[in-house]
Amino acid sequence: EVQLVESGGGLVQAGGSLRLSCVASGFTFSSYVMSWVRQAPGKGLEWVSSIIGGGGTAYYADSVKGRFTISRDNSKNTLYLLMNSLRAEDTAIYYCAKDRVETIMYFFDSWGQGTLVTVSS
Amino acid sequence: DIQMTQSPSSVSASVGDRVTITCRASQGISNWLAWYQQKAGKAPNLLIYSASNFQSGVPSRFSGSGSGTDFTLTINSLQPEDFATYYCQQANSFPLTFGGGTKVEI
Repeated sequence: EVQLVESGGGLVQAGGSLRLSCVASGFTFSSYVMSWVRQAPGKGLEWVSSIIGGGGTAYYADSVKGRFTISRDNSKNTLYLLMNSLRAEDTAIYYCAKDRVETIMYFFDSWGQGTLVTVSS
Repeated sequence: DIQMTQSPSSVSASVGDRVTITCRASQGISNWLAWYQQKAGKAPNLLIYSASNFQSGVPSRFSGSGSGTDFTLTINSLQPEDFATYYCQQANSFPLTFGGGTKVEI
């Protein structure tokens, strides 16, 4: 059974930093694109970032480019999101999500429970 | 960026109804479209991928169609557990984008 467990969320002041983690199990982690998707309170879904299985290529939403860094440690089956220069508008639940297939599709078939990041201004 | 426009933003329906949700892309995305269901306080759940393919375990009352710019999610014979918010998502190009959501409520 696929499991994705996020951690690292919390309350941080604007301008601060936070690192989110997502521990994966139940599949060959290194073979899949992994992504972060966020959801502001009462709002819709927003894609944040994706990283391919080997970790060499990553993509970012314009709203986080230059401030957030996605990475992965395939030896630990763990996905990370380092968030710097946080803004109030980054307040959201952050979900990690797994691609549906090893051949890249960018459709997310498994999601974690989410971790809440609150940025106070 | 490709904009995804869903309509309606909300729909009131009853058990047994047929509900149709549409999603329009601002440019052609072939069949690079997925539909997700999200219940309150829960993570999204993939229903349909590649516009019309069922994700494993999804009931057959859900169906997806469309290609290019116009897509449809249909729920036949709405069940109590189907009351939720539905999102479309394009995977044709970065940045990946979601529609604004459609809330299906009683």
